[in-house]
Amino acid sequence: DAGVTQSPTHLIKTRGQQVTLRCSPISGHKSVSWYQQVLGQGPQFIFQYYEKEERGRGNFPDRFSARQFPNYSSELNVNALLLGDSALYLCASSLDRVGAFGNQPQHFGDGTRLSIL
Amino acid sequence: TQLLEQSPQFLSIQEGENLTVYCNSSSVFSSLQWYRQEPGEGPVLLVTVVTGGEVKKLKRLTFQFGDARKDSSLHITAAQPGDTGLYLCAGLQGGSEKLVFGKGMKLTVNP
Repeated sequence: DAGVTQSPTHLIKTRGQQVTLRCSPISGHKSVSWYQQVLGQGPQFIFQYYEKEERGRGNFPDRFSARQFPNYSSELNVNALLLGDSALYLCASSLDRVGAFGNQPQHFGDGTRLSIL
Repeated sequence: TQLLEQSPQFLSIQEGENLTVYCNSSSVFSSLQWYRQEPGEGPVLLVTVVTGGEVKKLKRLTFQFGDARKDSSLHITAAQPGDTGLYLCAGLQGGSEKLVFGKGMKLTVNP
């Protein structure tokens, strides 16, 4: 069975540009969460989407936005890129909302490495 | 301020040694997870603990959730080079959908 797939795997952008990252969850999973992982740090929660609705948002500026499609895949958009946006962006999927039934197991993709020049 | 503090942050040991990683907070969590992440890959879930005082074992790994659900520990017995990686704890507070991660503990097990 295919795991969580993210594309692209690597991306180089310049300051001020916009970027779209994509995530396909495990088949049957209805929840997708996005995380930013800066080098040397743990992942930081950005968004959770469940059944195409935003269910949670972390402390990120409005330059960050996301959406979930009817097939449960998701996109993360970042506008007006800053040098500090350079990071590994991780997508995770779960069957239900993260907070359902204690804590739903999340399955992570291998991430998109975004570098801002 | 980091909600979940992990210690130590780095550990380099020889094969066969034992180690314990701690995950501490001043906040109560409804559940806590431990993940292992290898370079170039996403985190992989090892365990979820939900009950205060709960102990779970996964082969040579023993996980414990504190009685007050504010802290957790991971103990590895007879570490092997394959245990090398970044160990992350992550907690969920009641009513929240935001999983909060610690900074992680980078473990290197030398043959």
